[in-house]
Amino acid sequence: GENVEQHPSTLSVQEGDSAVIKCTYSDSASNYFPWYKQELGKRPQLIIDIRSNVGEKKDQRIAVTLNKTAKHFSLHITETQPEDSAVYFCAAIPDDKIIFGKGTRLHILP
Amino acid sequence: GAGVSQSPRYKVAKRGQDVALRCDPISGHVSLFWYQQALGQGPEFLTYFQNEAQLDKSGLPSDRFFAERPEGSVSTLKIQRTQQEDSAVYLCASTASLGRYTDTQYFGPGTRLTVL
Repeated sequence: GENVEQHPSTLSVQEGDSAVIKCTYSDSASNYFPWYKQELGKRPQLIIDIRSNVGEKKDQRIAVTLNKTAKHFSLHITETQPEDSAVYFCAAIPDDKIIFGKGTRLHILP
Repeated sequence: GAGVSQSPRYKVAKRGQDVALRCDPISGHVSLFWYQQALGQGPEFLTYFQNEAQLDKSGLPSDRFFAERPEGSVSTLKIQRTQQEDSAVYLCASTASLGRYTDTQYFGPGTRLTVL
């Protein structure tokens, strides 16, 4: 079955710097890759997603890149702000199963 | 409009008790999902409904877990004879479309279940 590995598990960056979170997946049938942000004690919220027919997608300070050959996709947050502190989850969807990564706790340092 | 709501938000149960967790999806949303999120982990899929039909229950960890959505709106996840390993946050999500993962999933706030 599909396996999604997410790295790093914890990431600290200075406010204003960029943060990158990487995920790899195993099932080449996966064709949809959403990213969720979960603040402490709150619900996961979709922040960006990418489908397998594109290599990159941007939405203001957030971007996601996908390399289908290498089976990895990454979340990029630029000009980080304190409100970016949260746990971020990647996910891959092969054959109508959604598999989440274990999450990355992002700390934005003042 | 209102988002996905879940109740109760917190539930403490003694081992062996039965619990029922409720999910109210966004009005009109066709698809409904239940997930289990252990501490420090990502959500894990439990089951999926399309309207009142339970199309996938492959993620339910044992036959102690049962979910229903009899009228295609509110859903209940029931756990019988709870065990300590059932302690987790149970998340519900809904989407407007029939396609399982082709549409944005809107999550509820979750129910934190603690089994003593």
